[in-house]
Amino acid sequence: GEDVEQSLFLSVREGDSSVINCTYTDSSSTYLYWYKQEPGAGLQLLTYIFSNMDMKQDQRLTVLLNKKDKHLSLRIADTQTGDSAIYFCAESIKGGGATNKLIFGTGTLLAVQP
Amino acid sequence: NAGVTQTPKFRILKIGQSMTLQCTQDMNHNYMYWYRQDPGMGLKLIYYSVGAGITDKGEVPNGYNVSRSTTEDFPLRLELAAPSQTSVYFCASSYNRAPYNEQFFGPGTRLTVL
Repeated sequence: GEDVEQSLFLSVREGDSSVINCTYTDSSSTYLYWYKQEPGAGLQLLTYIFSNMDMKQDQRLTVLLNKKDKHLSLRIADTQTGDSAIYFCAESIKGGGATNKLIFGTGTLLAVQP
Repeated sequence: NAGVTQTPKFRILKIGQSMTLQCTQDMNHNYMYWYRQDPGMGLKLIYYSVGAGITDKGEVPNGYNVSRSTTEDFPLRLELAAPSQTSVYFCASSYNRAPYNEQFFGPGTRLTVL
């Protein structure tokens, strides 16, 4: 079935790197996304990767995609206290007709210790 | 640009009561979505709409109804509230250019059913 899995919690010290992992199920997913949810707020798109890429870098963020293992990771370099949030990965899968929909993971709570 | 707005922010209902969660977007997006977020469970899609007058069920539609009479508005109706509907509800919208589907989220409505 459609199931996107993430570990629930990650704690790091300020200045360290954080790595948040995700496994997805649909090998035909064309886009994979990382969303960030700050306390009391909705989700915001952080970054995404197209399925024909292995890696995407965007300032402090690095996304790695292993299509063979259906594994996606998000690395945050020099993690700051402002990075404390819940991070969701999401895969796009085909819906009815020409639509597609997003399947979200369970979310990983990142806690950054000063 | 307000983006996606939701009202109310918080609500407490008694079992059996009904209510409508409001959602409005000002980005002229054709697609709109309703999700519920339960702790440790990620986001589950309740209903979605691909345009005015067209709605379809998501993963967890039971106990809910929707309508889409305009591009901007996508209200979610709970007819007979049950404790299992205690959750945080998010509305989202996107200009769905499948397969890319960046969704924009509202701030959420926290609903408690007692």
